[in-house]
Amino acid sequence: QKEVEQNSGPLSVPEGAIASLNCTYSDRGSQSFFWYRQYSGKSPELIMFIYSNGDKEDGRFTAQLNKASQYVSLLIRDSQPSDSATYLCAVFNNAGNMLTFGGGTRLMVKP
Amino acid sequence: EAQVTQNPRYLITVTGKKLTVTCSQNMNHEYMSWYRQDPGLGLRQIYYSMNVEVTDKGDVPEGYKVSRKEKRNFPLILESPSPNQTSLYFCASSPTGRNGSPLHFGNGTRLTVT
Repeated sequence: QKEVEQNSGPLSVPEGAIASLNCTYSDRGSQSFFWYRQYSGKSPELIMFIYSNGDKEDGRFTAQLNKASQYVSLLIRDSQPSDSATYLCAVFNNAGNMLTFGGGTRLMVKP
Repeated sequence: EAQVTQNPRYLITVTGKKLTVTCSQNMNHEYMSWYRQDPGLGLRQIYYSMNVEVTDKGDVPEGYKVSRKEKRNFPLILESPSPNQTSLYFCASSPTGRNGSPLHFGNGTRLTVT
C-alpha cells in the first residue's frame, strides 16, 4: 500500500462547478499536508498547506483535513479551464523530515 | 528573485557516462532534496539534505550520489547512468525541511539515458 494515495483521474468537471480532489495517507502521525498543482511538463507549485483538522480557505481553494480518517481534500470552487492540471497531495512523515507525494489527480475543466 | 535553479533542463546521454545535474537556491534554505517523476509513479524522493554536510537517502537512492558542501548547492551525480534512470528530475528546497515547511521546486531536468 502506498503511503499517500490519490485517484489518478482524470476528474472532469464543467466550468464553474466545484472540483473535489481527495487524498488518503497511511502515517497516522503525519502533521502537515500540502497541495501542489502541476501543469504538464512544469514543476509543482504550492497551492495550500494545512496542519489542523477542519477547513482552510484561500480564495477559490479550500483544504479539508480529517486526521481521524486520515484523509485530506482540496475543493476548487468556480472551476476554470486554467485549473486543468495534475494536483499532488504531499504529506510530511511523522519524523517531519520527509515529504511524500501521492501519484496525483488529473483535473480537466471543460468550458 | 527567489528561486531554485537546475541545470541543464534537458540532457541526453549514453549508458555509463558519468553526469552531474546542478541545483542551486538563493533563499538561504537549510533543506534541499532531489525527486524523480515517472508516469504512474509520481514524485519519488532520491536524496535529501537537512543542512551543509548532512545528506540522507530517500525512497529511491540507488544509482545516485549527492553532496552538500555549501548551503546553496546540492548537485545530483549519476556515476554510471542506466536507461532506467531516464526520468524527469526536480530539485527542491525549503527553509527547514521540518513539518510545515513547504518545498520550492526548480524547473526540472529531463534526462534520457540511451
